[in-house]
Amino acid sequence: DGGITQSPKYLFRKEGQNVTLSCEQNLNHDAMYWYRQDPGQGLRLIYYSQIVNDFQKGDIAEGYSVSREKKESFPLTVTSAQKNPTAFYLCASSRPSGLSYNEQFFGPGTRLTVL
Amino acid sequence: DQQVKQNSPSLSVQEGRISILNCDYTNSMFDYFLWYKKYPAEGPTFLISISSIKDKNEDGRFTVFLNKSAKHLSLHIVPSQPGDSAVYFCAASAPLDSNYQLIWGAGTKLIIKP
Repeated sequence: DGGITQSPKYLFRKEGQNVTLSCEQNLNHDAMYWYRQDPGQGLRLIYYSQIVNDFQKGDIAEGYSVSREKKESFPLTVTSAQKNPTAFYLCASSRPSGLSYNEQFFGPGTRLTVL
Repeated sequence: DQQVKQNSPSLSVQEGRISILNCDYTNSMFDYFLWYKKYPAEGPTFLISISSIKDKNEDGRFTVFLNKSAKHLSLHIVPSQPGDSAVYFCAASAPLDSNYQLIWGAGTKLIIKP
């Protein structure tokens, strides 16, 4: 079965600690994305990567870091510099082509709570 | 500046009736529009899309209408069912120079009443 997995489903962190959220896909997609969702708000883009070893900041990259060493993996690190990290984090992937549209497939999400 | 707006945070509809969710956009360069459905604590799932060269796309109970002159699209669900209760997101895509990004609305929570 092809899809996107995120782990863990729930994550608790003490203030001042860095934490890494996992995202793996076996869809052979080139592009991967990290979003954050807060209650009553839409999806806000944190980082995205179009190809291996390359990534760009999204709208709210401050306090976050990513790596893209393998096509199937795009981990997100929430650093202690992120002032309000408690949120629902979503990873997505897509297969950009010559077409202009860009359907993204999402993982189940990780709920991060800072204690 | 919100380029994609869903002005209704929530919508309540009787089971069996039509649900109409609305979305407005400001960027005339958008050429593809998508609707996603999201249940609590899950990732969004793709529902239906429409290209700017069309004004209507239908898939079973779901129909999306696009009015380019008004920069407005709507999602119609007929008939509405209890399983349709979810948050619906509208998203838009510009041509390739946008780095394959989707621009998202804030979502509309649809509640189907029995």
